[in-house]
Amino acid sequence: DVKVTQSSRYLVKRTGEKVFLECVQDMDHENMFWYRQDPGLGLRLIYFSYDVKMKEKGDIPEGYSVSREKKERFSLILESASTNQTSMYLCASGAGVNQPQHFGDGTRLSIL
Amino acid sequence: AQKITQTQPGMFVQEKEAVTLDCTYDTSDQSYGLFWYKQPSSGEMIFLIYQGSYDEQNATEGRYSLNFQKARKSANLVISASQLGDSAMYFCAMREGINFGNEKLTFGTGTRLTIIP
Repeated sequence: DVKVTQSSRYLVKRTGEKVFLECVQDMDHENMFWYRQDPGLGLRLIYFSYDVKMKEKGDIPEGYSVSREKKERFSLILESASTNQTSMYLCASGAGVNQPQHFGDGTRLSIL
Repeated sequence: AQKITQTQPGMFVQEKEAVTLDCTYDTSDQSYGLFWYKQPSSGEMIFLIYQGSYDEQNATEGRYSLNFQKARKSANLVISASQLGDSAMYFCAMREGINFGNEKLTFGTGTRLTIIP
């Protein structure tokens, strides 16, 4: 079974802090993704990565950066957290274009 | 224009009845894929079913089937004999193109399905 693990289920941070969300997958997938989920908006892609050290912007990259130093790990970084980044963050990994993405359990992040 | 449209924000269905969740899509690519995911209240996203644009038959997975009407650009999810455990958010998603780099998905806004005992 594919396992995608996100480091925290719930996280509370303060405005202006640098925040790291970690994601690890155990299926040797090339592709990894970060989404945020907000009520009424569905899931929106923040960043994705096809390989180690490779990254591509998604639909809403502003205020975020990512890091992929190892194939199994994909980190999302909020450079200076703001209240409008309070959201559910979902990490996913995938094996190819016709294969489903597998998701972690999500991190509910609150910025105070 | 929205690439994926789910027009039903919420639905209430009696247990054991069949359910159809609507999804329409917009793309100019000839090759694309459509996915359905289920998200229970616990938050995890569960993959349900996949349909490729060149697949001639509608996809089926157990109680789930996908009513794929290419000319109408619709990919409705049908759940037969609904159960209480089917209560969840359901998302339709699309992947466009087949080239390297086209693995990203565009999601709809979801439908919250509630099964009534």
